[in-house]
Amino acid sequence: EDQVTQSPEALRLQEGESSSLNCSYTVSGLRGLFWYRQDPGKGPEFLFTLYSAGEEKEKERLKATLTKKESFLHITAPKPEDSATYLCAVQAINSNSGYALNFGKGTSLLVTP
Amino acid sequence: DGGITQSPKYLFRKEGQNVTLSCEQNLNHDAMYWYRQDPGQGLRLIYYSQIVNDFQKGDIAEGYSVSREKKESFPLTVTSAQKNPTAFYLCASSIRDRQETQYFGPGTRLLVL
Repeated sequence: EDQVTQSPEALRLQEGESSSLNCSYTVSGLRGLFWYRQDPGKGPEFLFTLYSAGEEKEKERLKATLTKKESFLHITAPKPEDSATYLCAVQAINSNSGYALNFGKGTSLLVTP
Repeated sequence: DGGITQSPKYLFRKEGQNVTLSCEQNLNHDAMYWYRQDPGQGLRLIYYSQIVNDFQKGDIAEGYSVSREKKESFPLTVTSAQKNPTAFYLCASSIRDRQETQYFGPGTRLLVL
C-alpha cells in the first residue's frame, strides 16, 4: 500500500533560521512527487513537482530534492510569510485511482520574527 | 483569470439533508477531483473524473455522489447517508495526462447544524 509520511508534524523557526522538511514515501512506482503550500482556510497552492531521483527544483527561499525513498523541502533564511502548512503528495504508476494524489498529513511551519 | 472556483465558502447542513458543493474550472482541464480534509489527516480522495460523463469512486466515496455533465463542472453532493460530513472539501483539476500537476480551488467548509 502506498504511504506518505511527513516529518516533523510541526516546526517553529526564527526568521533567518534555515531548516528542512521531510517527506518519506513508499510507492510501487513513482509517477511524480508534489509539494504544496496551504494557508489556513485556503486551498493548497502548488509549489513543485519532482519526477526522478536526483532532481532538484528551486523557488525563492524553497528548494525541493528527491531520492528514491524521500523528498526534502529546504527553506533557506525563512521569513514570517513562509508560515504555512506544507503538504507532500505522491502520484503512483498503476494507481487504482487514476492520477489522484496520495497526501501526507503535512508539516505546520511557524516562522517568528 | 483562469482558475478553479468553489461555492459556497461555508455550507451548513441539517440532519437528513442532502447538500451540493459546486466546483467550476476554466482551465480547460479534462480531469477533476474531490478531496476531503479533516484536522490532523491528509487529504483523502472522494471521487474523480477523467472525462465528461465518466467518474470513479475514490477511497471514501460512501455517502457522496457526483456528476460530470460538462467539462467545466464537477458538483459534489453530500447525502444524508454521510454520517460525519463536517470537513473541508477541496476540488482539484488537471490535464488528463500522466504526471500533470493538480491545481486546487479555495475549498468549501461544511458544518452540521
